[in-house]
Amino acid sequence: EIVLTQSPGTLSLSPGERATLSCRASQSVSSSYLAWYQQKPGQAPRLLIYGASSRATGIPDRFSGSGSGTDFTLTISRLEPEDFAVYYCQQYGSSPVTFGGGTKVEIK
Amino acid sequence: QVQLVQSGAEVKKPGASVKVSCKASGYTFTSYGISWVRQAPGQGLEWMGWISAYNGNTNYAQKLQGRVTMTTDTSTSTAYMELRSLRSDDTAVYYCARGGTVFNWFDPWGQGTLVTVSS
Repeated sequence: EIVLTQSPGTLSLSPGERATLSCRASQSVSSSYLAWYQQKPGQAPRLLIYGASSRATGIPDRFSGSGSGTDFTLTISRLEPEDFAVYYCQQYGSSPVTFGGGTKVEIK
Repeated sequence: QVQLVQSGAEVKKPGASVKVSCKASGYTFTSYGISWVRQAPGQGLEWMGWISAYNGNTNYAQKLQGRVTMTTDTSTSTAYMELRSLRSDDTAVYYCARGGTVFNWFDPWGQGTLVTVSS
């Protein structure tokens, strides 16, 4: 199975700053079948990005995804107060579907 | 709007079974699949498996093979996940999520169902 490693584990930033989250796969993710989700406490995950770089419906353009092969990045250009949450990457190119361990973006 | 609404919290004893439901609305149920994902307290996300609402085909995570069964009822647009021989480490929030094929992103997700396994 493909193991996804997210870094850093925790990112401490202030509102207005740029956040860069990394997701590295143990083997190449076919067809860039990689998604990013945001999860806030007590809530279900919400899809942000699919296909490595396509924003889901209703997601603000301050969220962007990039990468291919084994290295992927989620960038939040300017953090808003509602963006402080945990972010997960997911590969869905091969079975089993796997998730990274998550990156927590916290207020500095 | 597309929505998945799950059944309520459950408390089960070790060795028992649990069946969680996920009722879909706002889209053609048989045009998509449903995946199930669980999250232990304070932990990350674990994919459990997928079922096609079109023909009932399934794809289960290997570690749960033999203990999990996913089904659908197209007459009520509802998906079900049954987990048997429950252990304490099955305590988690269980989510359903809409996908296309098994190789798909998940959107949207149900609100989650807390299953607590305790003697």
